[in-house]
Amino acid sequence: AQSVSQHNHHVILSEAASLELGCNYSYGGTVNLFWYVQYPGQHLQLLLKYFSGDPLVKGIKGFEAEFIKSKFSFNLRKPSVQWSDTAEYFCAVNPLPGYQKVTFGTGTKLQVIP
Amino acid sequence: DTAVSQTPKYLVTQMGNDKSIKCEQNLGHDTMYWYKQDSKKFLKIMFSYNNKELIINETVPNRFSPKSPDKAHLNLHINSLELGDSAVYFCASSPKGQGAVNTEAFFGQGTRLTVV
Repeated sequence: AQSVSQHNHHVILSEAASLELGCNYSYGGTVNLFWYVQYPGQHLQLLLKYFSGDPLVKGIKGFEAEFIKSKFSFNLRKPSVQWSDTAEYFCAVNPLPGYQKVTFGTGTKLQVIP
Repeated sequence: DTAVSQTPKYLVTQMGNDKSIKCEQNLGHDTMYWYKQDSKKFLKIMFSYNNKELIINETVPNRFSPKSPDKAHLNLHINSLELGDSAVYFCASSPKGQGAVNTEAFFGQGTRLTVV
């Protein structure tokens, strides 16, 4: 079965600092990749997704992620974080083909200090 | 206008009780899911239905029984609730079913279940 690792469990940054959250997955085949964000007390929202093509994908709110197939990684980046980015971030992988059986990472809690 | 809606948002109940959580999506999606998020924020899929047919059934106690009366609804019934069932349960849906590629899931607001 596939697994998803997010190595940073809790990240604390000051506003305007740059962000990079790591995500590695274990699955040898073709995958769809996602980053979701969960603001405090809220549901999961899609930040960005990778299906195919350009491995550098841009999402909402200035986030981007790069798929490096050789490293089985899909790291999330943002050049300058804001206080409103404080949230939990989840990387997720859907192995193909077949039904969508998304596996989530354990999440990274991002705290942005004003 | 809510795409995936769950009720109730909060549920507090005693051990041993039976409770249900309802989920409805108005997106016309074929596939619906239940996820459980534990106290450590770990998200794990429980069930997946495609057009009312059970597709994924992870290692979930049989006290949990999903019911899909139609493809827009996927309810979760839990019998004999235990303390360990306390979690946030998320319903989700996605546009395509069997052989799905290049799709994403849309999540409901979650139901925070507290068993006391």
